[in-house]
Amino acid sequence: EVQLVESGGGLVKPGGSLRLSCAASRFTFSSHSMNWVRQAPGKGLEWVSFISTSSTYIYYADSVKGRFTISRDNAKNSLYLQMNSLRADDTAVYYCARDSIGGGPPAIDSWGQGTLVTVSS
Amino acid sequence: DIQMTQSPSSLSASVGDRVTITCRASQGISNYLAWFQQKPGKAPKSLIYAASSLQSGVPSKFSGSGSGTDFTLTISSLQPEDSATYYCQQYNSYPLTFGGGTKVEI
Repeated sequence: EVQLVESGGGLVKPGGSLRLSCAASRFTFSSHSMNWVRQAPGKGLEWVSFISTSSTYIYYADSVKGRFTISRDNAKNSLYLQMNSLRADDTAVYYCARDSIGGGPPAIDSWGQGTLVTVSS
Repeated sequence: DIQMTQSPSSLSASVGDRVTITCRASQGISNYLAWFQQKPGKAPKSLIYAASSLQSGVPSKFSGSGSGTDFTLTISSLQPEDSATYYCQQYNSYPLTFGGGTKVEI
């Protein structure tokens, strides 16, 4: 069974930085594009960022563009999200989500358990 | 950006009922539509992709339909374990966007 385990969340002050990690196992990580999706407390799901298999294509939500950086290390089966200039409205559970393989746009088919990021003074 | 609108935002139904949730895209997305189930305090679970294809291991009580701008998720024979919030999501183009969710109570 696919395993995605996020880490790195915690409490950070406004303007601070945090780096999230997602450790992937039980599948060929380098064959799948990946996403970060977040969920503010009591709110719905919000897509944050996408990275293709070899990091050629990277996309961000407007709400994080210029502040967050997605990256991956296929040799370490790991996905990352570097978050800078954090704001209170970045407070959320951050999920690592795997895309399916196949023709056409990929669909998310697996999710990690999430890691909570709290931005507060 | 493509806006996704779900209705209703919540519903209450009885065990054994058939339930339908609708999702509308602000522009055509072909069949690039996914559905997710999320139970309180848990990560989302992928149910359906390509509007009507079940993810591996998802019971056939869940079904999806639609194309273009209008989509539906149907849960047949509702059971207590189906109590959750359901989200649609378009993956036709970036930014990926989700509907606001439909909370299903038994």
